[in-house]
Amino acid sequence: EDQVTQSPEALRLQEGESSSLNCSYTVSGLRGLFWYRQDPGKGPEFLFTLYSAGEEKEKERLKATLTKKESFLHITAPKPEDSATYLCAVQGGSEKLVFGKGTKLTVNP
Amino acid sequence: GAGVSQSPSNKVTEKGKDVELRCDPISGHTALYWYRQSLGQGLEFLIYFQGNSAPDKSGLPSDRFSAERTGGSVSTLTIQRTQQEDSAVYLCASSPGMLSNQPQHFGDGTRLSIL
Repeated sequence: EDQVTQSPEALRLQEGESSSLNCSYTVSGLRGLFWYRQDPGKGPEFLFTLYSAGEEKEKERLKATLTKKESFLHITAPKPEDSATYLCAVQGGSEKLVFGKGTKLTVNP
Repeated sequence: GAGVSQSPSNKVTEKGKDVELRCDPISGHTALYWYRQSLGQGLEFLIYFQGNSAPDKSGLPSDRFSAERTGGSVSTLTIQRTQQEDSAVYLCASSPGMLSNQPQHFGDGTRLSIL
C-alpha cells in the first residue's frame, strides 16, 4: 500500500528564517511526486511535480528535491504570505494520488 | 474562470437526507477525480473518471456513495441517507488525461455538514 508521511505537522518561522519540510514515501513504482499548497477554505494549489530521484524544481522562494525515499520542500527567506498548509502526494500504480496529512507553516513578520 | 468549479460551496443537511455535489472540470480535461478531506485527515481518494467511465471506484466508502459523469464534462457525486461521519470537504480535481502522471488541479470543494 502506498504511504506518505509528512513532518513536521506544524512549523513556525520568523520572516527570513529558512527551513525545510519533509515528505517520506513508500510506493510501488513512483510515477510522480506532487507538492501542493492549501490555504484555509481553498482547494490545493499545484506547486511542483518530481518524477525521478535527483530531480529538483524551483519557484520563487520554494525548491523541491527528490530522493528514492523522500522529498524536501526548502523554503528560503520565507515571507508571511508563504503561510499555508503544504501537501505532498505520490502517484504509483494507479491514477489516484495518495496524500500525506500536510505541514502547516506559519511565517511571522 | 478557467479553473475547476464546484457547487454548492457549502451544504448543511439533516442526517438521512440525500445530497448531490457538482463538479465542472477545466475545459478539455478528460480525467476527473473526487477526494474527501476530513478534519485532521489527509485527502482521501474516492473515484476516478476517464471520460464518462469510472475505471477506479475503489475509494467509495459505502454503497451510499455514487458518482456519474455525463458528456465527458460535469460530474455529480451523490450521497444517499447521509450520516454524520459523511461530514467533510469534498474536493474535485481534473487533469488533461493524455499523460497519466500530469498534475491534478483542484476546485475549492464543497463543505458538507450533516446535522
